[in-house]
Amino acid sequence: AQKVTQAQTEISVVEKEDVTLDCVYETRDTTYYLFWYKQPPSGELVFLIRRNSFDEQNEISGRYSWNFQKSTSSFNFTITASQVVDSAVYFCALSEAGFSRGDDKIIFGKGTRLHILP
Amino acid sequence: EAQVTQNPRYLITVTGKKLTVTCSQNMNHEYMSWYRQDPGLGLRQIYYSMNVEVTDKGDVPEGYKVSRKEKRNFPLILESPSPNQTSLYFCASSSGAGVTYEQYFGPGTRLTVT
Repeated sequence: AQKVTQAQTEISVVEKEDVTLDCVYETRDTTYYLFWYKQPPSGELVFLIRRNSFDEQNEISGRYSWNFQKSTSSFNFTITASQVVDSAVYFCALSEAGFSRGDDKIIFGKGTRLHILP
Repeated sequence: EAQVTQNPRYLITVTGKKLTVTCSQNMNHEYMSWYRQDPGLGLRQIYYSMNVEVTDKGDVPEGYKVSRKEKRNFPLILESPSPNQTSLYFCASSSGAGVTYEQYFGPGTRLTVT
C-alpha cells in the first residue's frame, strides 16, 4: 500500500533563511509519481512539481529545489532565501502508475504548514 | 480561462438533507477527482473518474456518490449528510493520462453539516 509521510507538521523560519520540507513515501511499485502542491492562506491548491520514479535528477526552479532519493524513499523540498509569500501549507503526494491496471489513486501527505516570519 | 469551478463555495445544511456539489472543468480533461481536506489529515481522495461513465472509489468513499455523464462535469452527491462530513471539499482534473500528471484544483467548497 502506498503511504506518504510529512513528519514536520509546522515549521517557522525567519525570512531569508533556507528551509527544507521532508517527504518520505512508501510504495511497492517500481513506476510511480511524486508531487508537491502549495496551499497559500487564500486556500487554493497550486501544483509545484511532478517527478517520476525513473528520473532521480534534482530539480531547481528559482528559489525552489527538490531532492529525490530513491535509496531513502524521500522527495524533499527546499526553499532558499525564504520570503513571506512562501508561507503556506505544502503537500507531498504519491501516485502509483496504476492506470494500466485500472487503478488511478493518489495519496497526499498530511501537509507541512510553513510560516515565514518577517 | 482554463479552470475548475465548484458550486456552491459555502454550504450549511442539516443532517439527512441530500445535497449536490457541482464541479466543472473547461480543459477537456479525462481525469477528475474529489478530495476532502480536514485539519491534521491532509487531503484524502473520495472518488475519481478516469473518463465518462468510469468512476472508482478513493480512500474515503463512504457516504458519497458521484457520476460522470459528461466529460466536463463531476458532481459529488451526499445522499444523507452527517456531521462527520463537515469538511472542505476540492474537485480537481488532470491534464494527462490519469492522476500521474499535475492536477488543477477548484477553489473548494466548505460544507458544514449540523
